[in-house]
Amino acid sequence: NAGVTQTPKFRVLKTGQSMTLLCAQDMNHEYMYWYRQDPGMGLRLIHYSVGEGTTAKGEVPDGYNVSRLKKQNFLLGLESAAPSQTSVYFCASSYGLGRGDYGYTFGSGTRLTVV
Amino acid sequence: GESVGLHLPTLSVQEGDNSIINCAYSNSASDYFIWYKQESGKGPQFIIDIRSNMDKRQGQRVTVLLNKTVKHLSLQIAATQPGDSAVYFCAENGSGGSNYKLTFGKGTLLTVNP
Repeated sequence: NAGVTQTPKFRVLKTGQSMTLLCAQDMNHEYMYWYRQDPGMGLRLIHYSVGEGTTAKGEVPDGYNVSRLKKQNFLLGLESAAPSQTSVYFCASSYGLGRGDYGYTFGSGTRLTVV
Repeated sequence: GESVGLHLPTLSVQEGDNSIINCAYSNSASDYFIWYKQESGKGPQFIIDIRSNMDKRQGQRVTVLLNKTVKHLSLQIAATQPGDSAVYFCAENGSGGSNYKLTFGKGTLLTVNP
């Protein structure tokens, strides 16, 4: 099993450009999440999904959109990139709390720089 | 403006010593807690978890202690090795029960000196 795979691993964008980050999991997890990680800020939840076809806002959703058309994929879109969106983005998935050891499985991250 | 540096609490230990990393949580309704390890350039990795009906749980070289009275969580690493050098995060499930969203602490940087 590959676990959680994120693509791309690195990207540089110009202000105003758009892009999509892809997250794929092969563990049949119901729940998927997008976090951003900034120095001194920890992990902050952007959007999440509790199942195919569902999405919901997290703590810092502005400037981002998501889609979960297939259970195994969770896409994060930046509509018009801003320098404040320079960050490391992590995708995670889980069965959902209440089922045994259900800690999130994280991808390896996407390092995004907006110039 | 002021640049945001990596203002993490840090812990430096000698190889072979035991390490204790602490975490305070704020939500008294949280009933599930996890410790994660994040090595440089990688995603967080699950280490150990504990439910609120327990006050101690042991894994391989790691022990998590939970004190609900003072809302405190700790991770003990026995015989710390250089490979244990990483940032360690605690996480809680906030509202408890069926809440599937975890809230993460800001992390502690552990450095193991050979």
